[in-house]
Amino acid sequence: AQRVTQPEKLLSVFKGAPVELKCNYSYSGSPELFWYVQYSRQRLQLLLRHISRESIKGFTADLNKGETSFHLKKPFAQEEDSAMYYCALSRGSQGNLIFGKGTKLSVKP
Amino acid sequence: NAGVMQNPRHLVRRRGQEARLRCSPMKGHSHVYWYRQLPEEGLKFMVYLQKENIIDESGMPKERFSAEFPKEGPSILRIQQVVRGDSAAYFCASSPGRSMDEQYFGPGTRLTVT
Repeated sequence: AQRVTQPEKLLSVFKGAPVELKCNYSYSGSPELFWYVQYSRQRLQLLLRHISRESIKGFTADLNKGETSFHLKKPFAQEEDSAMYYCALSRGSQGNLIFGKGTKLSVKP
Repeated sequence: NAGVMQNPRHLVRRRGQEARLRCSPMKGHSHVYWYRQLPEEGLKFMVYLQKENIIDESGMPKERFSAEFPKEGPSILRIQQVVRGDSAAYFCASSPGRSMDEQYFGPGTRLTVT
């Protein structure tokens, strides 16, 4: 069965510290992986997708097919990074996204 | 472009009533997705529609739930005879076409069943 697992409900770090939000997936084919972010009182928005290999707001994520992981990383967290982060998987042609339960990132001053 | 619009933002229904949730996709987008988020859970896919067609409804409960995306007007998610377990946030997303396109999300409708 296709599944996305985000093991941490809450991650709290201090400003300037490195941050890593974990995401593991279960899928037999070639998945498309995404990270979505929801800032307070805002709608869900795409942060990055693995095929673009971009760095957005200092965040990067590498798809590791051997470990079936797509962890989100940032070397120096900022207070404005505090938000809910959702990892999601797309099954290619079927379009719909499978989401993890989300990790709430809290960056303290 | 105002983005994906959903209304109402909050909806309160008594058990047994009907709930109608509306979603207007972004201009130029012909693909609509509905997701449901229960408390403490991630978003769960419900249904994927194109204009006048249901493409994938594998995530829809078998009874009481239906969705449409007519040629004109918004997409509608309809829940008949609501029960307390239907209380959740319902999100709509749209994309321009191809399945690998980015999905743009609306602000959600929070349904409370009393």
